[in-house]
Formats: sequence, C-alpha cells, structure tokens
Amino acid sequence: QKEVEQDPGPLSVPEGAIVSLNCTYSNSAFQYFMWYRQYSRKGPELLMYTYSSGNKEDGRFTAQVDKSSKYISLFIRDSQPSDSATYLCADPTYSSASKIIFGSGTRLSIRP
Amino acid sequence: GAVVSQHPSWVICKSGTSVKIECRSLDFQATTMFWYRQFPKQSLMLMATSNEGSKATYEQGVEKDKFLINHASLTLSTLTVTSAHPEDSSFYICSASLLTGTKNIQYFGAGTRLSVL
Repeated sequence: QKEVEQDPGPLSVPEGAIVSLNCTYSNSAFQYFMWYRQYSRKGPELLMYTYSSGNKEDGRFTAQVDKSSKYISLFIRDSQPSDSATYLCADPTYSSASKIIFGSGTRLSIRP
Repeated sequence: GAVVSQHPSWVICKSGTSVKIECRSLDFQATTMFWYRQFPKQSLMLMATSNEGSKATYEQGVEKDKFLINHASLTLSTLTVTSAHPEDSSFYICSASLLTGTKNIQYFGAGTRLSVL
C-alpha cells in the first residue's frame, strides 16, 4: 500500500463551485501534512500545512483531517480558473534525510 | 516564504553532451536538497537526496554515474546529466528542505525542462 494515495482526476468543475480534493494516508504516526499546488511546467508551491489535530483555513482554502479514517481533504471555495492546477498532498516521513512522500496529485480544471 | 532558485529553466542539448542544473536556496541554508524528475502528466519521481558535504543518496533504479549530484555548500546543489540521450528528456525539479521546529517543509525550484536532440 502506498503511504499517500490520491485520486489522479482529472476533476473539472465550473467557476464558483466548491472543490473537494482528497487523500488517504497510511502512516499512523504522522503529525502534520501539507498541500502543494503545481501549475503546468512549474515546480510545486506550498499551499498550506496543518497539524493533524484539526482544520486550517487560509483564504478560500481549507485543509481538514479525519484521523479516524486517515483521510485528508482540501476544500477550495469560490473556485477560479486560476486554481486550475495539480494539487499534491504530502506526508513528511521521519525516515532519514527529511524525505517527504507525495501523493500522485489530482489535476483540477475550473471551467469559466 | 523561502525561495529556491533553479537554473536554467530550459535547456536543449545534443545527444552525448553533459548538462548541469543548479539549485540554490536564496534566503535560507539547506542541509538537504532533493532532485525530482517528472514526465508529462505524471507525478514527481524522487531521484536522489543531496546532503551538504557528503555523497548523495540515490533512489532505486537511478544511475548515480549518469546523474551526478554535488552539494558543496549549504545553499547550492547541482545535478549534472552526463552523456545525455533523448530518453533523458524530462522536467527536472529540485527542492530544499527547511526544518523549523518540528516541521520539515520542502520548497521547490521552478524546474528545468531538458530536451535532448
């Protein structure tokens, strides 16, 4: 089983819709997780990180954790065409060398 | 936030030549940097972990003689693709690890598109 699993999409929604992106994780020890956004032909950029103990909101973005089901969600409110990108969830492992395990990414397209 | 600069952003080279890609952390020191490879519409594939002052750790299946990594300072790591061939054409991305308290965040460069003719 992969440590972080993500539906690859693509996911297409109309502008203004609420988007829900999800990951499942298997590392029971993890204490926080991260969401990255990657535009086409660019490096990933950190969107937000949150500890596993609760939700975190940043503008139109909300990250949520359900520890009982090992489910991680990212919600985007009032989605914009500029939100069209690939979203990757990430689990920082505590193995050697600060390695981070990334999900395969979900491709999101917001239709104007 | 922390900034990682990667250069060049795009390089075209002839088959058989070597190409060097630089990755710099501009406003923080990075003991550990990472090199990834990404094919179109696919996920990031970790190639190697670059540790300042020591040899890089390569992932299984990555040829260390093909992809030479040097991390001579706390702000610079380089990846050299030696004797490049068309199958090496890909998008290469570096990241630098910033440890803050209990958090380990990776900040990424903008990537380098390598085209081998």
